[in-house]
Amino acid sequence: QVQLQESGPRLVKPSQTLSLTCTVSGDSISSRNYYWGWIRQYPEKGLEWIGYIYDSETSYYNPSLKSRLLISIDTSKNQFSLNLSSVTAADTAVYYCARSGYDSSGYPNWFDPWGQGALVTVSS
Amino acid sequence: QSALTQPRSVSGSPGQSVTISCTGSSSDVGSYNYVSWYQHHPGKAPKLILYDVSWRPSGVPDRFSGSKSGNTASLTISGLQAEDEADYYCCSYGNIYTHVLFGGGTKLTVL
Repeated sequence: QVQLQESGPRLVKPSQTLSLTCTVSGDSISSRNYYWGWIRQYPEKGLEWIGYIYDSETSYYNPSLKSRLLISIDTSKNQFSLNLSSVTAADTAVYYCARSGYDSSGYPNWFDPWGQGALVTVSS
Repeated sequence: QSALTQPRSVSGSPGQSVTISCTGSSSDVGSYNYVSWYQHHPGKAPKLILYDVSWRPSGVPDRFSGSKSGNTASLTISGLQAEDEADYYCCSYGNIYTHVLFGGGTKLTVL
């Protein structure tokens, strides 16, 4: 059974960097069979795709976050990480990591499973 | 404002059917059959219930079905059960820049 678990600081000060790590069990992130992604849920419920990573050389980011975003992968620990710099209160959200499948053309077509989520609050 | 539009809430009685719509544009939902749906009970991890518009992952009851017409995808839940009360989100491939679009979510209340 594949499981994902987010970890990292839950309180971040404005202008600092939000850092989260997703630990994967039950699957190898070095297999190159999936994308490994981040999604966030705002307090008013909407979901936003942040980005995902395929391997150390291939990642895709939401253009609205690209200038502040870095997603990295550590195959030795079976983990991938999110770093979002220069955060503001608008970045307060529940952050989920999830595995993403893709079809034969490379289009992402599902997210499964998801982690439980990590509520990160940006506040001084 | 979410990229895909869903009704904020729907409701139905046990045993009834409800349909949740998800409206995008001709560039996303209308162009690709990469629509997926997620069930989310607050405090738990979201769960994939449909992908590629109408395919169910193993273990998802056939009470959950999906369809698409033009720029609008739909999730239908038949034979409503109390445990179906949750938030439901649609998702679609977007474009080469923003790969993934989500809806704003629909709260399903089982009366």
